[in-house]
Amino acid sequence: QQQVKQSPQSLIVQKGGISIINCAYENTAFDYFPWYQQFPGKGPALLIAIRPDVSEKKEGRFTISFNKSAKQFSLHIMDSQPGDSATYFCAARQGAAGNKLTFGGGTRVLVKP
Amino acid sequence: GAVVSQHPSWVICKSGTSVKIECRSLDFQATTMFWYRQFPKQSLMLMATSNEGSKATYEQGVEKDKFLINHASLTLSTLTVTSAHPEDSSFYICSVQGRREMGTDTQYFGPGTRLTVL
Repeated sequence: QQQVKQSPQSLIVQKGGISIINCAYENTAFDYFPWYQQFPGKGPALLIAIRPDVSEKKEGRFTISFNKSAKQFSLHIMDSQPGDSATYFCAARQGAAGNKLTFGGGTRVLVKP
Repeated sequence: GAVVSQHPSWVICKSGTSVKIECRSLDFQATTMFWYRQFPKQSLMLMATSNEGSKATYEQGVEKDKFLINHASLTLSTLTVTSAHPEDSSFYICSVQGRREMGTDTQYFGPGTRLTVL
């Protein structure tokens, strides 16, 4: 059973556009929500993260919006660049379960020049 | 964040042989490391949690006798794939649990090891 559902599976956006990736979870025991960026053949790199007591967090061009009541969170990539073309994974951490991360299915983002 | 290395970055082996993958935390003493595997175009699946000085905790469905994990020091964890078979071919990635913000632990990933079993 997938505990973190991520959509869309793939996304094509023009350079300068906004990429939006959504995730939904069911387990209310999750207490930390990181996003990772992965390039082909590389390990995931931590991009930005949020705790459930915060509704929005922005770091540069990347913003997380968090809706605790709806159990949903999203990543917005502003002014998307070709170098942002990668696979993005949302994740949810369960601190009480040894800080394990549960990953969403991933979104492949292609930014066209 | 934490800097994590893996060795080797890729390995090709014959069916039936064993392969050892090293995961090192270069700038951080990690009491906990995690091992994942990732199939092409799929997400990361947690295999086991490696705790320094104790036995690893394996996820349901992961054969502990096939995937041996040793976390002998605060900077090194190893994953040994024993009697590897073609279905074990995958991308294996380790992560280190580090502290990003006050009171918040998160995971930093290594570059991964591509295992191909012929």
